[in-house]
Amino acid sequence: AQSVTQLDSHVSVSEGTPVLLRCNYSSSYSPSLFWYVQHPNKGLQLLLKYTSAATLVKGINGFEAEFKKSETSFHLTKPSAHMSDAAEYFCVVSPGFQKLVFGTGTRLLVSP
Amino acid sequence: ETGVTQSPTHLIKTRGQQVTLRCSSQSGHNTVSWYQQALGQGPQFIFQYYREEENGRGNFPPRFSGLQFPNYSSELNVNALELDDSALYLCASSSWTSGRAITDTQYFGPGTRLTVL
Repeated sequence: AQSVTQLDSHVSVSEGTPVLLRCNYSSSYSPSLFWYVQHPNKGLQLLLKYTSAATLVKGINGFEAEFKKSETSFHLTKPSAHMSDAAEYFCVVSPGFQKLVFGTGTRLLVSP
Repeated sequence: ETGVTQSPTHLIKTRGQQVTLRCSSQSGHNTVSWYQQALGQGPQFIFQYYREEENGRGNFPPRFSGLQFPNYSSELNVNALELDDSALYLCASSSWTSGRAITDTQYFGPGTRLTVL
């Protein structure tokens, strides 16, 4: 079964410093991978997706992620954090388009 | 282009009651998926509807049921509510044709917060 593991439940950064949210996946074949963001009391917004094209995927709001098959990782990065980036981030794998399998989430805290 | 909408935004029920949640899919999408997000957890897949039929189901009991209408909108029904059903219920839409996905991206609505007392 396909699954994802988010390695950190909380990440704290200062505004203007880089962001790294870590995700490892488990899949028997090349997966579709996504990062979604959820702001407090809001629905989920797609940040970016990987579907076996370029391994470096650029998303919205300056986020990007790199698919590394040798490490089974799909970490999310941003060069410079902004206060508005504070939210819950979910790494997601799609086993076959019928459903999405979510990680447990990483809460990003951004301090001034 | 209209996004995914859900109603109501909040709902309070008591144990044993029944509830119906509603979802309108994004313009151009014909598939609706439902997810349950308990507090502090990631969303869990409940089921998906395509062409008015269930097209995949997660590990949820039969008291969770759904419908999809000809205009692709959908309902989630939960019978015999339990305290553990308290959660944010998310609806997502996507697009399928002839058994394959046109888009593998699911677009989410804002959710319905259900509280069971």
